[in-house]
Amino acid sequence: DAKTTQPNSMESNEEEPVHLPCNHSTISGTDYIHWYRQLPSQGPEYVIHGLTSNVNNRMASLAIAEDRKSSTLILHRATLRDAAVYYCISGTYKYIFGTGTRLKVLA
Amino acid sequence: DTEVTQTPKHLVMGMTNKKSLKCEQHMGHRAMYWYKQKAKKPPELMFVYSYEKLSINESVPSRFSPECPNSSLLNLHLHALQPEDSALYLCASSRGTVASYEQYFGPGTRLTVT
Repeated sequence: DAKTTQPNSMESNEEEPVHLPCNHSTISGTDYIHWYRQLPSQGPEYVIHGLTSNVNNRMASLAIAEDRKSSTLILHRATLRDAAVYYCISGTYKYIFGTGTRLKVLA
Repeated sequence: DTEVTQTPKHLVMGMTNKKSLKCEQHMGHRAMYWYKQKAKKPPELMFVYSYEKLSINESVPSRFSPECPNSSLLNLHLHALQPEDSALYLCASSRGTVASYEQYFGPGTRLTVT
């Protein structure tokens, strides 16, 4: 069974921020939190990852709850190209993908 | 260069055929992975290679046979497949089998078994 739960789908308006939540209540102390996204007809693409502290990169920000049982991927200004399925993975390098969140961006 | 290439893009094979999928990376990564993704489902891990040795087989049927001839190349040999094996087969690589390393995925090979 997947170790993470995410909403099935979310919608956002273009150029607005998007907050994608993920619950990983069974996370252990050494488990990392990774986020990937998969555009139609492509392989998953790495977005960001973290262990305990919040992380920023050119694509997104990752906010990790203090108890590490949940995290939020933040896209600061959604574009039409961000429409994808976003997967949150917690654990080791043996990835167990959950069902992900399908993000729809409205023009 | 963060590219993982996979060939062919599409493959149609009969249940008695033998075919191979190929994956290549030139990032110096020492871990490589095969995933299977059925339509509208998330990817599922099949195999993990670490330093060219098979380290994980997620109870995959023997009709799927992986091979890692060198650190840049990963093959998946297919034999006597079933129609339910039709899926997108994804290859990925990472610097090593460490949780903090991200994985880079190829575009996949879409396999249809007739």
